[in-house]
Amino acid sequence: DAGITQSPRHKVTETGTPVTLRCHQTENHRYMYWYRQDPGHGLRLIHYSYGVKDTDKGEVSDGYSVSRSKTEDFLLTLESATSSQTSVYFCAISRNTLDSGAGNQPQHFGDGTRLSIL
Amino acid sequence: DAKTTQPNSMESNEEEPVHLPCNHSTISGTDYIHWYRQLPSQGPEYVIHGLTSNVNNRMASLAIAEDRKSSTLILHRATLRDAAVYYCILRGGNYGQNFVFGPGTRLSVLP
Repeated sequence: DAGITQSPRHKVTETGTPVTLRCHQTENHRYMYWYRQDPGHGLRLIHYSYGVKDTDKGEVSDGYSVSRSKTEDFLLTLESATSSQTSVYFCAISRNTLDSGAGNQPQHFGDGTRLSIL
Repeated sequence: DAKTTQPNSMESNEEEPVHLPCNHSTISGTDYIHWYRQLPSQGPEYVIHGLTSNVNNRMASLAIAEDRKSSTLILHRATLRDAAVYYCILRGGNYGQNFVFGPGTRLSVLP
């Protein structure tokens, strides 16, 4: 199993509070991703990182920010949580290869964080 | 982003082969075809991927059409543990960020 740890695994909080989810990897992979999964939508990309301090937006980035100050940690922050952000959040990692790039590598996923915002 | 289409659900008997189809008629030349599966309350699990040639690994085989507009995931002997939602995904982009999950195929395995 890929060394990915998401924390917390479960969280219940109130609307308007800040929330930070952490993804920690022990694989030294370059690429890291945050997804959310909702019924009827599959997994949707929120933000991704292609190196330390290098991040970009995904399909559903509004209301979320990320930071990556070191290779092993990728943080997802909800500055002011809303009920629409109730979801299961997955982190994924992927290595790069010099000859063929990130597309030729699997993504490995964490076990997810179940976030409920009341 | 290029999209894929899969049947909503399929059923198989235990210990029989399973062929899960996927259509991706708008695939670009640099997109890799990836397959993942997801069990309830777990994160997606990588199964296999390829570009043009058929691929085999310990979990499954991937058959890719010559024009790359379709592919088939083959589970050689289905077990009860293979019951899951299977996703066919095209992966591209400079950072592999083009990676769109559709609804997938829910595979049921009957004992």
